[in-house]
Amino acid sequence: AQSVTQPDIHITVSEGASLELRCNYSYGATPYLFWYVQSPGQGLQLLLKYFSGDTLVQGIKGFEAEFKRSQSSFNLRKPSVHWSDAAEYFCAVGRGLTGGGNTLTFGTGTQLKVEL
Amino acid sequence: NAGVTQTPKFQVLKTGQSMTLQCAQDMNHNSMYWYRQDPGMGLRLIYYSASEGTTDKGEVPNGYNVSRLNKREFSLRLESAAPSQTSVYFCASSPETNTGELFFGEGSRLTVL
Repeated sequence: AQSVTQPDIHITVSEGASLELRCNYSYGATPYLFWYVQSPGQGLQLLLKYFSGDTLVQGIKGFEAEFKRSQSSFNLRKPSVHWSDAAEYFCAVGRGLTGGGNTLTFGTGTQLKVEL
Repeated sequence: NAGVTQTPKFQVLKTGQSMTLQCAQDMNHNSMYWYRQDPGMGLRLIYYSASEGTTDKGEVPNGYNVSRLNKREFSLRLESAAPSQTSVYFCASSPETNTGELFFGEGSRLTVL
């Protein structure tokens, strides 16, 4: 069964500093990988996704993630964090369904705090 | 630009009461899902419907039932609510491709006393 580990429950960074959120996955085949962001009281918004091809993927809001098969990792990065990036971030691995659709298994999330 | 709409947004129940969470999507997606979110546990899949007419159990289905009413609507029912079902519930949908991302509603916060 697939699983996702986000080892950092909370991370605090200063505005303008760089950010890296860690994600490790366990999956028997080529994974479909996702990063979502959740602002307080809101649903989840997709930041970026990886299915195949280039292992460095670009997303919205200046985020990027790198897929490293040898390390089973899909870490999220941003060169310069803005105060509005404070939110909870979820990594997920997808299992495509034969009939269509894609069930996601989520990590437990990393809460990002940005200090001004 | 409705996307995925969930009702109600908030609900308080007493133990043993029943209720149904409603979900509708206007993106013509084939697949729909119900997740629950609990602190420190991320989101866990309750049930999903890969296509109209089919439903399947996810990771935590006990105590829940679902109905895929039509292509647009997917409801989640708690027949006899328990305090352990206090949670935030998210409905999501995805397109026919099996590599598509999920689009989420804004959530329904349920408290069972």
